[in-house]
Amino acid sequence: GAVVSQHPSRVICKSGTSVKIECRSLDFQATTMFWYRQFPKQSLMLMATSNEGSKATYEQGVEKDKFLINHASLTLSTLTVTSAHPEDSSFYICSAGPMGGNEKLFFGSGTQLSVL
Amino acid sequence: GENVEQHPSTLSVQEGDSAVIKCTYSDSASNYFPWYKQELGKRPQLIIDIRSNVGEKKDQRIAVTLNKTAKHFSLHITETQPEDSAVYFCAASIRNNDMRFGAGTRLTVKP
Repeated sequence: GAVVSQHPSRVICKSGTSVKIECRSLDFQATTMFWYRQFPKQSLMLMATSNEGSKATYEQGVEKDKFLINHASLTLSTLTVTSAHPEDSSFYICSAGPMGGNEKLFFGSGTQLSVL
Repeated sequence: GENVEQHPSTLSVQEGDSAVIKCTYSDSASNYFPWYKQELGKRPQLIIDIRSNVGEKKDQRIAVTLNKTAKHFSLHITETQPEDSAVYFCAASIRNNDMRFGAGTRLTVKP
């Protein structure tokens, strides 16, 4: 299957700092990527859809100024958690699909964010 | 929007037995139904998927069935093995940007 790379896998930061997470499609181009948040023992909650060359689309209840998304190229989307607080601690994971439409999605390996 | 319900939340079976996980969806326009397996701390892995023009799909020990009229689909794992132990998520979508996931089923296969 297609490969989606996500970095870093784990980050610990102080409250008030910003953290950037990268999601790359390694062997295909992705005009659209997706960002999820997953709490322990819970499901994947879609946060936003990252669109190459245009603004991201955020799900209801997700603060766009808090979770900045940039999709500057066809293989890279970044999620920046700004002014992180302990309640932002979570597992963040991205996905992308080779076809862009309604096809298979492949996930990155996830980023465990811990805000102290 | 789409709402996906998944049952059971936990499932424990003996090695060699079969396991069945069921999902229902709300939007009759949904036409793509993937299943993902997620081991602890790892990424979800696509294990099988089905489209609305097909009623059943099989891949070795894994099969998925879809009932469009009732808006439910199921994952069947036969001859379970300890390495099948994981959390399984179903999902439904019309387009990738509206894919919604079930709450997950924690499957434990006891040796």
